[in-house]
Amino acid sequence: QVQLQESGPGLVKPSETLSLTCTVSGGSISRYYWSWIRQPPGKGLEWIGYIYYSGSTNYNPSLKSRVTISVDTSKNQFSLKLTSATAADTAVYYCARVAEMGTVTEFDYWGQGTLVTVSS
Amino acid sequence: QSALTQPASVSGSPGQSITISCTGTSSDVRTYNLVSWYQQHPGKAPKLMIFDINKRPSGVSNRFSGSKSGNTASLTIFGVQAEDEADYYCCSFATSSTFVVFGGGTKLTVL
Repeated sequence: QVQLQESGPGLVKPSETLSLTCTVSGGSISRYYWSWIRQPPGKGLEWIGYIYYSGSTNYNPSLKSRVTISVDTSKNQFSLKLTSATAADTAVYYCARVAEMGTVTEFDYWGQGTLVTVSS
Repeated sequence: QSALTQPASVSGSPGQSITISCTGTSSDVRTYNLVSWYQQHPGKAPKLMIFDINKRPSGVSNRFSGSKSGNTASLTIFGVQAEDEADYYCCSFATSSTFVVFGGGTKLTVL
């Protein structure tokens, strides 16, 4: 059974970089697309971007200037960096897998989510 | 404001059928049969319920059904049960803004 687990600081200071890692277990990171999705408290879901195991990426235009998603196939992990964080970036951050042979809207496995608060 | 429009809430009694709408534009829902639906219980990660408009992943009850007409996709739950009470989000491929857009979410209350 594939499992995803987010990890990283739960508190980030304004203007600093938010960094998270998603560790994939129970399956290989290869041959799949992997995404980051976030959810501000009490609000809806927002797609941040995705990365293919080969390293190609696509980002939400509203965040593109501040986001970098990278992959480390040797560790079965992929990561998110969001620079110049503000209070508006406070959210639960989820990592998710795009289904094999699926489209980029088909997320079949999700991490449990991790709350990141941006505050001084 | 979300790219896809959903009603904030819907409700139904056990055994009734309910439908949640998801309205987009010609840049997403109308053009692409790439709409999925997610169920999210409080404090939990979303769960894929429908993909490609009307396909169900293995293990999802056949009480859940998806459809599309023009700019609007819909999720219907037949014979709603107490365990279906949750937030539901639609999601579509899009080209005008971002590749993936979500609706604002609909809270289903089972009376």
